[in-house]
Amino acid sequence: DQQVKQNSPSLSVQEGRISILNCDYTNSMFDYFLWYKKYPAEGPTFLISISSIKDKNEDGRFTVFLNKSAKHLSLHIVPSQPGDSAVYFCAASAYNQGGKLIFGQGTELSVKP
Amino acid sequence: DGGITQSPKYLFRKEGQNVTLSCEQNLNHDAMYWYRQDPGQGLRLIYYSQIVNDFQKGDIAEGYSVSREKKESFPLTVTSAQKNPTAFYLCASSIDFRRQEGNGYTFGSGTRLTVV
Repeated sequence: DQQVKQNSPSLSVQEGRISILNCDYTNSMFDYFLWYKKYPAEGPTFLISISSIKDKNEDGRFTVFLNKSAKHLSLHIVPSQPGDSAVYFCAASAYNQGGKLIFGQGTELSVKP
Repeated sequence: DGGITQSPKYLFRKEGQNVTLSCEQNLNHDAMYWYRQDPGQGLRLIYYSQIVNDFQKGDIAEGYSVSREKKESFPLTVTSAQKNPTAFYLCASSIDFRRQEGNGYTFGSGTRLTVV
């Protein structure tokens, strides 16, 4: 059972435009969500996170939105840059269920100049 | 600089051989994890350890073994029982198993294992 799903395996965006990456989850006990960025042959690096008590968190060009009723979160990148081209993973955890992170399948973002 | 070191970066294994992937951290983190990445399947949890001398199976533990004799080290052995071991293996750590606030996990740079 895939508790965290990223249904778009890939996304292509023009430089300067907005990139929107989506993530859906099924476990209503999840209370903390993170986005990681991964380049080929490297480990993922933390990008941004959001607690379930918030519906938005912003850090520079990156904003994460959380819609708890829809069990959906999204990552917005504005403006997109070629260096943003990477695989993006969303992850979720539930403190009262052990806290370990459950990852989605990843979305490969390609930002074209 | 604190971080996680995985070695080797590339590893080739013959059919029927056991191989051990190294993971060392100097972050003083209690919890450590092993993930496997395959194309289109994201990150799947193999084993995790909450504290020294303790570890639990993740979602795909068959054919793998681990040990946690020291806080800093969490080696993964890929045994001959693992039917499809070719993959990218990632080690991670976190301050505390139950709390993932902040950055969550810190990942190593990975080991690419290929069966030849």
